[in-house]
Amino acid sequence: SAVISQKPSRDICQRGTSLTIQCQVDSQVTMMFWYRQQPGQSLTLIATANQGSEATYESGFVIDKFPISRPNLTFSTLTVSNMSPEDSSIYLCSARDRGSGANVLTFGAGSRLTVL
Amino acid sequence: GQQLNQSPQSMFIQEGEDVSMNCTSSSIFNTWLWYKQDPGEGPVLLIALYKAGELTSNGRLTAQFGITRKDSFLNISASIPSDVGIYFCAGQKTSYDKVIFGPGTSLSVIP
Repeated sequence: SAVISQKPSRDICQRGTSLTIQCQVDSQVTMMFWYRQQPGQSLTLIATANQGSEATYESGFVIDKFPISRPNLTFSTLTVSNMSPEDSSIYLCSARDRGSGANVLTFGAGSRLTVL
Repeated sequence: GQQLNQSPQSMFIQEGEDVSMNCTSSSIFNTWLWYKQDPGEGPVLLIALYKAGELTSNGRLTAQFGITRKDSFLNISASIPSDVGIYFCAGQKTSYDKVIFGPGTSLSVIP
């Protein structure tokens, strides 16, 4: 299965600043996704990163706050803009990977952001 | 919107005991997935289920896709300390739909 690398793995950020998280997959994948996991919570899909076009955002998430790029089939970035303490979360990159003959999600280790 | 419920929310068991947890939904799913997340890591797929009634094993883990397509369960036999973590169920309506995650079951194993 695909191996997904994210960086930074963690960061402490000041309120009002922006941070870009990078996600690199070791093979070409059709679909890439960004999830948020707030402390002690489950995973919530932020958006689908589309190669060559604008990302598709889920309800409650907007491009101005979470701009996403996907320049090719192996790389994507998520920016968390104008951060506030409520943005303190783990941000997870995932890719749809073929396993057991069907599509399953593979995840990176996550980027843990703490906003002061 | 679509929502998954998992029970129990957390459990503490003795090493060697068997564990059972389940996941229910108000909607029908055509794929059920079980993931485990260790601290500081992303979720890792344990078992994928694609057909109603399907029973699939992965070592000491066994999962079943409910007949109604609205539930699934995961069993762990003879638990060991490294089973500690959070277990998430996830459902998907079609191969092209987004994957919905449950709230998770936190498992602690007492040596």
